[in-house]
Amino acid sequence: DAGVTQSPTHLIKTRGQHVTLRCSPISGHKSVSWYQQVLGQGPQFIFQYYEKEERGRGNFPDRFSARQFPNYSSELNVNALLLGDSALYLCASTPAGGTGELFFGEGSRLTVL
Amino acid sequence: AQSVTQLGSHVSVSEGALVLLRCNYSSSVPPYLFWYVQYPNQGLQLLLKYTSAATLVKGINGFEAEFKKSETSFHLTKPSAHMSDAAEYFCAVTEPNGGATNKLIFGTGTLLAVQP
Repeated sequence: DAGVTQSPTHLIKTRGQHVTLRCSPISGHKSVSWYQQVLGQGPQFIFQYYEKEERGRGNFPDRFSARQFPNYSSELNVNALLLGDSALYLCASTPAGGTGELFFGEGSRLTVL
Repeated sequence: AQSVTQLGSHVSVSEGALVLLRCNYSSSVPPYLFWYVQYPNQGLQLLLKYTSAATLVKGINGFEAEFKKSETSFHLTKPSAHMSDAAEYFCAVTEPNGGATNKLIFGTGTLLAVQP
């Protein structure tokens, strides 16, 4: 079975640009979460979606937005990129009725110049 | 608010030696606790989890962790380190809330080096 897949794996943007990151969860998983991992730190929670509805939002500015589609895939959008947005963006999916464990993708590494 | 503290950002052991990575959490309610491993340029892989069943939890690759409520700790151990264990390890916590959310709070990570 395929795991969580993310695209693109690497991308470079300049300040002020916009980026869209994509995620496909494990088949059967209806919840998707996004995390930001800055170099040298642990992942920080950005969003969780379940059945296309936002279930949780971390302490991130409104420049960050996300959505979940009927097939449970998800997009993370970041507007007006700043240098500090450079990070590994991790998507994770969760099975229904689970005990909180997340299954992570390989991540999208964003570099903002 | 929940928080996780991992003591020691870098730990170095010899191959075959005991591995001990420390994790303490702050919560008045017994949480769910996890250890994840991250190899270079990869995502996070679940090593093991505590969900209020047995306090000694066995995971993959010979790792185990013990939940100690009195010490609010969930330290990760492995009796004998292997070169392939070199990676970054993250402790994470969440509160059981009937599955409403799955927000994990991660520690800052411990980079494990294994010397030959």
